Amino acid sequence: ELKVEQNPLFLSMQEGKNYTIYCNYSTTSDRLYWYRQDPGKSLESLFVLLSNGAVKQEGRLMASLDTKARLSTLHITAAVHDLSATYFCAVEREGTYKYIFGTGTRLKVLA
Amino acid sequence: DSGVTQTPKHLITATGQRVTLRCSPRSGDLSVYWYQQSLDQGLQFLIQYYNGEERAKGNILERFSAQQFPDLHSELNLSSLELGDSALYFCASSASGTSTDTQYFGPGTRLTVL
Repeated sequence: ELKVEQNPLFLSMQEGKNYTIYCNYSTTSDRLYWYRQDPGKSLESLFVLLSNGAVKQEGRLMASLDTKARLSTLHITAAVHDLSATYFCAVEREGTYKYIFGTGTRLKVLA
Repeated sequence: DSGVTQTPKHLITATGQRVTLRCSPRSGDLSVYWYQQSLDQGLQFLIQYYNGEERAKGNILERFSAQQFPDLHSELNLSSLELGDSALYFCASSASGTSTDTQYFGPGTRLTVL
């Protein structure tokens, strides 16, 4: 059974600091997705990572994928308050189009 | 605004009842996905359709069914509702339904079962 674990579950950080959210998964996959959800809102797709070593960046967020380690990271650089949200990773069971989500990381950036 | 619309926004019903949630994808998108988000189960992928055909099925209960119509809108039918079915139901759409696609999410339907 494919399991996806995120850590930390909660993260409170100061503006201007850097931090990393980790997403571990338990079986072979080379498809990983990151999403953002603002409180009371819907989901927004952030990144699609499709191969080992894939790296994508958008603004202060950078995501990477290591399929050998079954690990993806979402790195936050010089955090700002607007990044406060819950971040989810999801893994596609290889070749199935079925997605398993992590538990989410609730990020709070303090001014 | 993602361009994906969902109706209704809120739905309150009783146990044992049946409801239908509706999703209209972005213009030009052929694939629709349904997800459930609850405090107990977190985010779960339910089902995906592509151009009217079922493409993938996730953790969708037998009491739930879905379809995608020729005009590409989709409906999720939930029957014999239980308290545990209370959740946010999101649909998303994408252009071709492949793994490389970006999915665009609708605002969700909040279902409360009393």
